[in-house]
Amino acid sequence: EVQLVESGGGLVQPGRSLRLSCAASGFTFDDYAMHWVRQAPGKGLEWVSGISGNSGNIDYAASVKGRFTISRDNAKNSLYLQMNSLRAEDTALYYCAKDMTGLALGGVFDIWGQGTMVTVSS
Amino acid sequence: DFVMTQSPDSLAVSLGERATINCKSSPSVLYSSNNKNYLAWYQQKPGQPPKLLIYWASTRESGVPDRFSGSGSGTDFTLTISSLQAEDVAVYYCQQYYSTSLTFGGGTKVEIK
Repeated sequence: EVQLVESGGGLVQPGRSLRLSCAASGFTFDDYAMHWVRQAPGKGLEWVSGISGNSGNIDYAASVKGRFTISRDNAKNSLYLQMNSLRAEDTALYYCAKDMTGLALGGVFDIWGQGTMVTVSS
Repeated sequence: DFVMTQSPDSLAVSLGERATINCKSSPSVLYSSNNKNYLAWYQQKPGQPPKLLIYWASTRESGVPDRFSGSGSGTDFTLTISSLQAEDVAVYYCQQYYSTSLTFGGGTKVEIK
């Protein structure tokens, strides 16, 4: 069964850091680009960042560029999101999502995890 | 930046009736070299992650019921549920993948009348 399981969320103070993880199973992880998408409470979806299968191509939303870093470890079938200088507006459910296109950043998300909640508050 | 605008924000439809959701992109998401529209639709039920319904504006994802269909080209797109079922109550999002800075529409909530 294809599965994505996020972890690492929690309550953090503004200005602090947090690292999210996503464990993938059921597919050949390094054959696919991966993304992070977030959803603030009661709001819509916002793409955060994407990384190609070989980590050679990385993109970020303008709202997180310079603060967040996406990475992956293909040997561990894992995706990560290092979040620094967190702000109240980063409060959201963070989803890990598989790109259906393949190695390159295509941008269609065919598999989603259940998400991990990040709350930024003092 | 690509801006995706959905309408209406919400709609209530009787069981068995047609539901129509609109999505407008600015600028166009039609790539002229391959004549493909870089537009996807997702369904999100309460408490669940989104689910991919349609990509390339009109290609149904495997396993998606054929009552769901997508149409349109360029800047104007439509998701149609031909005969609304109770399990279709959800929020529906369009999303462009023409630009590497991926963007979603604001969502349309579909309820039973």
